[in-house]
This record gives sequence, C-alpha cells and structure tokens, in this order.
Amino acid sequence: GQSLEQPSEVTAVEGAIVQINCTYQTSGFYGLSWYQQHDGGAPTFLSYNALDGLEETGRFSSFLSRSDSYGYLLLQELQMKDSASYFCAVRDEGRRDDKIIFGKGTRLHILP
Amino acid sequence: DAGVTQSPTHLIKTRGQQVTLRCSPKSGHDTVSWYQQALGQGPQFIFQYYEEEERQRGNFPDRFSGHQFPNYSSELNVNALLLGDSALYLCASREYMNTEAFFGQGTRLTVV
Repeated sequence: GQSLEQPSEVTAVEGAIVQINCTYQTSGFYGLSWYQQHDGGAPTFLSYNALDGLEETGRFSSFLSRSDSYGYLLLQELQMKDSASYFCAVRDEGRRDDKIIFGKGTRLHILP
Repeated sequence: DAGVTQSPTHLIKTRGQQVTLRCSPKSGHDTVSWYQQALGQGPQFIFQYYEEEERQRGNFPDRFSGHQFPNYSSELNVNALLLGDSALYLCASREYMNTEAFFGQGTRLTVV
C-alpha cells in the first residue's frame, strides 16, 4: 500500500516564504508531484520530481530526497491567491502501469 | 481544447439507488482515473482505465465499477448507494504513463 503524510494546515504572511513537507511510503516509486486546489475548484498540477534535488518553477519550487522518502513544496513571495489546499502525490508503480496516489492535503492560510 | 469535462456537475440520489457519472478526457489523453474526494480530504483513488480496461484499482468495494469507451471517455457507476458515498467525484486524464494529470471540475454527489 501507500501512505503520504503532510501537515493539515499551515499559516503564513503575504510576501513571506512557506514550506510544505511530505513524507511517503510506497512499494514502488516513480516520482512525487504537487497539486493545488482552490475551494470549489479542481486540483491543478504544480510540479513533479523524479530525481533528487530541487525543481524551480517561478515562485514555486519542489524538492525530493528519494533516500529519505521526503519532499517539500516551497512557495515564495506569497500572494493572497495562493490560499488553497496543496496535495503531494506519489506516482506509484502498479501491477502493469502507474497510478497517482494523493495525500490528505495541506490547507494554506495567508494573512495580509 | 475543452479540457476534462464531467457531467453532471451536481446530483442528488436516494440510498440504495444507482448512479452513473461521465467523463470526457482532454484531447490526446488515453488514460482516465477516477477519484473520490470527501470534504477537507485528498482525492482517493478509485480506479484507472487504459485501452478500455481497468488497469489499477484502489480500496473501493465492487459497488464501484467503470467503463472506458473507444473514444477514451469513461463512466463511473456506483450501485446500492450509501450515505457515505456522498462526495466530490473527480475524473483525471493524462497520456499513458505521463506525470501530469488534468482534472475535471467534478461531480458533487449527495446521497440522502
């Protein structure tokens, strides 16, 4: 089976930096993704890490350590529109092909 | 490109009834996954279809079944509805074995 752990809520101030951590356990592992979901909206893809290290996409960066089964999403220069839920998701090796399994999500609250 | 479209957007059913939800994947995508998302939780993997075949399945009872058609669209069927089946049902599509999944806006199912 698979399990993913991430904090349920994080609060930060507008303009600041916030890090959302994720630890995972899975039998087969291809990579770790991050998705953003605003209230009432659909999850949207942010980033994917297959190899160890940092991937940067604008204000968002994502990090992976395969040996530690750990990753994080880093959001810089926080804006009010970043208030949303953030999910880490493992791309897990299945019986014949892969599947994407999501964590429970981290609700990010941004204070003005 | 219309993206991933799901119908209906909202649905109210009575306990014991059966329901069918529909999903049209993003153009060019051949893999469709279904997720159940309870309020405040992450998307839970139900199953995944590729080449009109169920390829992966999560921990959901046999009451949950699906189908994929030759045009890659998909249906999710739930029989003998329970109150606990009330949730947002999300369809996600991607190219086979690709890392990025695109989600529809979901179907909000309420069982009364």
